Amino acid sequence: GENVEQHPSTLSVQEGDSAVIKCTYSDSASNYFPWYKQELGKRPQLIIDIRSNVGEKKDQRIAVTLNKTAKHFSLHITETQPEDSAVYFCAARTLYSGAGSYQLTFGKGTKLSVIP
Amino acid sequence: DAGITQSPRHKVTETGTPVTLRCHQTENHRYMYWYRQDPGHGLRLIHYSYGVKDTDKGEVSDGYSVSRSKTEDFLLTLESATSSQTSVYFCAISEGQGLAGSHTDTQYFGPGTRLTVL
Repeated sequence: GENVEQHPSTLSVQEGDSAVIKCTYSDSASNYFPWYKQELGKRPQLIIDIRSNVGEKKDQRIAVTLNKTAKHFSLHITETQPEDSAVYFCAARTLYSGAGSYQLTFGKGTKLSVIP
Repeated sequence: DAGITQSPRHKVTETGTPVTLRCHQTENHRYMYWYRQDPGHGLRLIHYSYGVKDTDKGEVSDGYSVSRSKTEDFLLTLESATSSQTSVYFCAISEGQGLAGSHTDTQYFGPGTRLTVL
């Protein structure tokens, strides 16, 4: 099955600096890559996603890039703010053999701390 | 937040007892999922449903069963709870599983249930 590796597991940055989180995946058939943000004690919430027919996507201070050849994708956060502090999860969507449905496989998460 | 609720939100139980967690949605989405979240493991899929009475196993299904008798409800049952099932359980829903480029496959998560098995 699909395997998603996420690095780093923890990341500390100064307010205003940029943060980059990287993920690699194993199944070349994966075609959808969402990123979730989870604040302490809260549910994961989708912040941005990218599909396999696109190389880069931006939404204000966040961007995601996808390199299908190398099978990796990255989350970029610019001008970080204290409210960006959270755990971020990447995921890859692949066809699951069980019932012909697509499933998400998640990375283990990155705890981002933005220091004021 | 999408119209997803989970009950109970917190539960403490003893080893060997049965436990049922409920996920309820008001979005009329076809797909529903149960995940568990543990430190160092991220989110792992337990079971999912692709329609009423249609379910299948995920990555970590041992010790769990599910049922979906109505579009809006997806139940997760631990037949005989063990300490290794202490975790935070999240339900998620998605409208569909469309082609790449479709927005119907976005998964939205419920608020979670914290389960402690003593």
